[in-house]
Amino acid sequence: AQSVTQLGSHVSVSEGALVLLRCNYSSSVPPYLFWYVQYPNQGLQLLLKYTSAATLVKGINGFEAEFKKSETSFHLTKPSAHMSDAAEYFCAVSDFGNNDMRFGAGTRLTVKP
Amino acid sequence: DGGITQSPKYLFRKEGQNVTLSCEQNLNHDAMYWYRQDPGQGLRLIYYSQIVNDFQKGDIAEGYSVSREKKESFPLTVTSAQKNPTAFYLCASRMTGTNYGYTFGSGTRLTVV
Repeated sequence: AQSVTQLGSHVSVSEGALVLLRCNYSSSVPPYLFWYVQYPNQGLQLLLKYTSAATLVKGINGFEAEFKKSETSFHLTKPSAHMSDAAEYFCAVSDFGNNDMRFGAGTRLTVKP
Repeated sequence: DGGITQSPKYLFRKEGQNVTLSCEQNLNHDAMYWYRQDPGQGLRLIYYSQIVNDFQKGDIAEGYSVSREKKESFPLTVTSAQKNPTAFYLCASRMTGTNYGYTFGSGTRLTVV
């Protein structure tokens, strides 16, 4: 069975500060990992995905994530937060072929001016 | 442009009524999914379908029903048996055999009045 745990339901940063959103996974098979972003009353948009090609994955809007097998982690980072980054972020894990994708509870990011 | 269309965006239901949420995709994706989203609980899988005329229950199928008569369409009916239907409902699709992740619609917010 696969699952993800997002540490921190709410993260607040100042504009220009580092963004770090934490995700730990559990999987009995090689995992495929995803980060999605959701703006209010909208669907989820794919930010980036790890599919075993490279451990450091770059996504849209300046975000990146690093797959660390030894720590079972896939944390999302951005060097400098922008007001437009305020949203909810979901980490997800699936097996090969994305047959059964499991989502974390989400982390709401607030960016202060 | 290809995508997933969910309608309506907002829906109000009286107690005891059945309502149907629409989900249409023109991405030629094989698999389609329905998720329910409640604050702080992430996304929970209601039903999914990998091929036309076939679908499986997810984690919280009670009180819901679906059909998949066409590849493009996967409507969700929220029945009167669903005791707490007020939530945000998201439809998603994916191409089977790939690791591209899921594509999401923009959601339907259902409120019981």
